[in-house]
Amino acid sequence: QSALTQPASVSGSPGQSITISCTGTSSDVGTYNLVSWYQQYPGEGPPQLIIYENSKRPSGVSHRFSGSKSGNTASLTISGLQAEDEADYYCSSYAGSNAEVFGTGTKVNVL
Amino acid sequence: QVQLQESGPGLVRPSQTLSLTCTVSGASMSSGSYYWTWIRQPAGKGLQWIGRIFTSGTTSYNPSLKSRITMSVDTSKNQFSLRLISMTAADTAVYYCARGGYGAGAYHASHDYWGQGTLVTVSS
Repeated sequence: QSALTQPASVSGSPGQSITISCTGTSSDVGTYNLVSWYQQYPGEGPPQLIIYENSKRPSGVSHRFSGSKSGNTASLTISGLQAEDEADYYCSSYAGSNAEVFGTGTKVNVL
Repeated sequence: QVQLQESGPGLVRPSQTLSLTCTVSGASMSSGSYYWTWIRQPAGKGLQWIGRIFTSGTTSYNPSLKSRITMSVDTSKNQFSLRLISMTAADTAVYYCARGGYGAGAYHASHDYWGQGTLVTVSS
């Protein structure tokens, strides 16, 4: 059960759109439509769920966050980048046999 | 509002056993389509899924930790617990408990409520 692969960092200017990739395998991301995304501010407590089931947003989450999946890779797009979006982002996926796996994490920098 | 709170020792000696408890308030653990998860995060590093337990007692563990983990649930106290044996410095991390969902009405295979986390340091 290896961690899903994410870029270490992604940067963008305010107002731009950025996309974070999350690459797994045919045993997890590729088979199940159960990719989630979390936002975590370093040193400020637990992650917050922002996307579930690949592309659905929980109540209260900004429409600027959107998710998608193609093959073994899932993606999180942040539109209209804002300073408050500077945080760490983690994907996770169901991996079969009642197991889950997280991604390596991506630091988003707002320039 | 569902709340989760981890409790346990902040310091564990090498080779000893870690025991953590997560107390759930604001809802019964047995209500709805949920399971209960432990996740950890070493300082400055990413999240690691440790394992999960259903209120039936059914468990699933991270294969890399499976030989060292035991999870249990006490629905009468609305608590679930983690026991990790043979602790080493590599187990030093913030340990989170969280609620996961499955089935109708829940965020499937996602964690919507988390505890604040408890720092566990392994040191002599």
